[in-house]
Amino acid sequence: GAVVSQHPSWVICKSGTSVKIECRSLDFQATTMFWYRQFPKQSLMLMATSNEGSKATYEQGVEKDKFLINHASLTLSTLTVTSAHPEDSSFYICSAPTQDYEQYFGPGTRLTVT
Amino acid sequence: GQSLEQPSEVTAVEGAIVQINCTYQTSGFYGLSWYQQHDGGAPTFLSYNALDGLEETGRFSSFLSRSDSYGYLLLQELQMKDSASYFCAVRAFGGNTPLVFGKGTRLSVIA
Repeated sequence: GAVVSQHPSWVICKSGTSVKIECRSLDFQATTMFWYRQFPKQSLMLMATSNEGSKATYEQGVEKDKFLINHASLTLSTLTVTSAHPEDSSFYICSAPTQDYEQYFGPGTRLTVT
Repeated sequence: GQSLEQPSEVTAVEGAIVQINCTYQTSGFYGLSWYQQHDGGAPTFLSYNALDGLEETGRFSSFLSRSDSYGYLLLQELQMKDSASYFCAVRAFGGNTPLVFGKGTRLSVIA
């Protein structure tokens, strides 16, 4: 199957700093990628849809100025958490659909804000 | 809106069979997927049903009834490593649209 990578796999940062998370489709091109957030013992919640060459689409309640998404190429999308606070600590997961619309998930990035 | 209902927890004995049900209410429907997630890991794809009926993949099978907005995941010959969370997810719209996830079912396999 297709492979999606994420970097870093985990990160600890101080409150007020920014963190960038990369999502890459390694063996296929993805014009669209999705960013999810998962809190402990909860389900995956869609944050935004990342579109190559255009602005991301954010879900209701997700601050677009806080969670900056850039789909720089057909294989790379980045999520930057700006001015991170402890409540932003979570597991961030990206996914990318292939041509047959099957979605492949990255391994996730665990963010801890101290 | 979109909603998917599945049991929050299930416990079963090693070697047994367990069925995890999922009912959905979505504005559109293109297919029902099942994902497995171990603690600390990302979801991994298990199966996908776009049409009514049963899909079998090894020890795992998945069933869909679109008229009932219902599906289930069947796990046979349970092993301890099957202890994980299982999510049903609906692709509500066509094209490159995101999945809508259920809240997940925590499966505990006991000896």
